[in-house]
Amino acid sequence: GQQVMQIPQYQHVQEGEDFTTYCNSSTTLSNIQWYKQRPGGHPVFLIQLVKSGEVKKQKRLTFQFGEAKKNSSLHITATQTTDVGTYFCALNSGGSNYKLTFGKGTLLTVNP
Amino acid sequence: KAGVTQTPRYLIKTRGQQVTLSCSPISGHRSVSWYQQTPGQGLQFLFEYFSETQRNKGNFPGRFSGRQFSNSRSEMNVSTLELGDSALYLCASSQGTPSNQPQHFGDGTRLSIL
Repeated sequence: GQQVMQIPQYQHVQEGEDFTTYCNSSTTLSNIQWYKQRPGGHPVFLIQLVKSGEVKKQKRLTFQFGEAKKNSSLHITATQTTDVGTYFCALNSGGSNYKLTFGKGTLLTVNP
Repeated sequence: KAGVTQTPRYLIKTRGQQVTLSCSPISGHRSVSWYQQTPGQGLQFLFEYFSETQRNKGNFPGRFSGRQFSNSRSEMNVSTLELGDSALYLCASSQGTPSNQPQHFGDGTRLSIL
């Protein structure tokens, strides 16, 4: 079955520092989605990446899809306390379009 | 547009009982997926429904079942509850194929088994 590894599991930063979480798949992906879950909340869709080598930006967030379409990263520049939460990648390998496999997430805490 | 609505928000049951959780998707969304979220295992896929048909099922025992109605509302049922079933159960809806369209999550039902 499809394996997904997301690292790190936890990351604590000082406000203003940068943050990166990585997602690696054992299989080639059709696309990858990223979600954010605030403490006590539910996952919220951030973005979807489809093309090999794709880079997308949302304000201070930069999302990348690897050239081989087996890995992805989310980078936050100059973190703010509002960035606190767990960031999940969600994968579809193409074997089944009706199922997303979520990584275990990276919990980001920010010290003001 | 109203979001995904899950009821109830909280539920306390004892071992051996059964429970039914409900999910109303965003209007116009025909795909509903269910996930179990626990601190140790993260978000695990339970099943996905589209037009009243289950299209995929995760690796959960047969005690976990679901269905979808003609108005796209969905229910999941867990029978013979075990302590390990304590979790946040989330449903998510999308317009079509969940793997390539944004999933819109509800607030979840937090189930506690005593």
